[in-house]
Amino acid sequence: GNSVTQMEGPVTLSEEAFLTINCTYTATGYPSLFWYVQYPGEGLQLLLKATKADDKGSNKGFEATYRKETTSFHLEKGSVQVSDSAVYFCALSPGDYKLSFGAGTTVTVRA
Amino acid sequence: EAQVTQNPRYLITVTGKKLTVTCSQNMNHEYMSWYRQDPGLGLRQIYYSMNVEVTDKGDVPEGYKVSRKEKRNFPLILESPSPNQTSLYFCASSLYGPGHSPLHFGNGTRLTVT
Repeated sequence: GNSVTQMEGPVTLSEEAFLTINCTYTATGYPSLFWYVQYPGEGLQLLLKATKADDKGSNKGFEATYRKETTSFHLEKGSVQVSDSAVYFCALSPGDYKLSFGAGTTVTVRA
Repeated sequence: EAQVTQNPRYLITVTGKKLTVTCSQNMNHEYMSWYRQDPGLGLRQIYYSMNVEVTDKGDVPEGYKVSRKEKRNFPLILESPSPNQTSLYFCASSLYGPGHSPLHFGNGTRLTVT
């Protein structure tokens, strides 16, 4: 079946530090990959996506590249801000109507 | 304002007392879905609907029912709630489905079953 594994948190960083959150997946075929973000007290919102191998998704300074050879979709940001404190979810859609999420990684950025 | 609205935000109930969590979207989206969020498990899909009168099971459908009689509404029904259904529930919608268009989430319903 389809599944997503992401690095366990919590992750605590200082402002302007480099952030990486690892995500690997298991899927048949060619799924689309996503990162969703959940700010405190809110629902999730789409951060970025990639629909085929070697695609790079980017938004708000975050980037992730769809690596089929390593079945990975790691999230990176070069310089985090306090406002980036949130829970980040990696997700996979095989192209039908399902979307499978990872367990989520809590990121806290300190001033 | 485009949004997904869930009600109530918080609900405390007792085992076996039927309850309904409502979900409504104003974006004319075809697709709607329910998820539950539990610590360490992320979000797990309960049910989804591709269009009016078309629903299907997600990964954890046991103990839940849904209906899609109108395009904008997708209520979640717990006929006989049990403590293991204590969780944070999210409704979401998208134009065509999560693989093709972004999911828009409601702000969640925190359910406690005692």
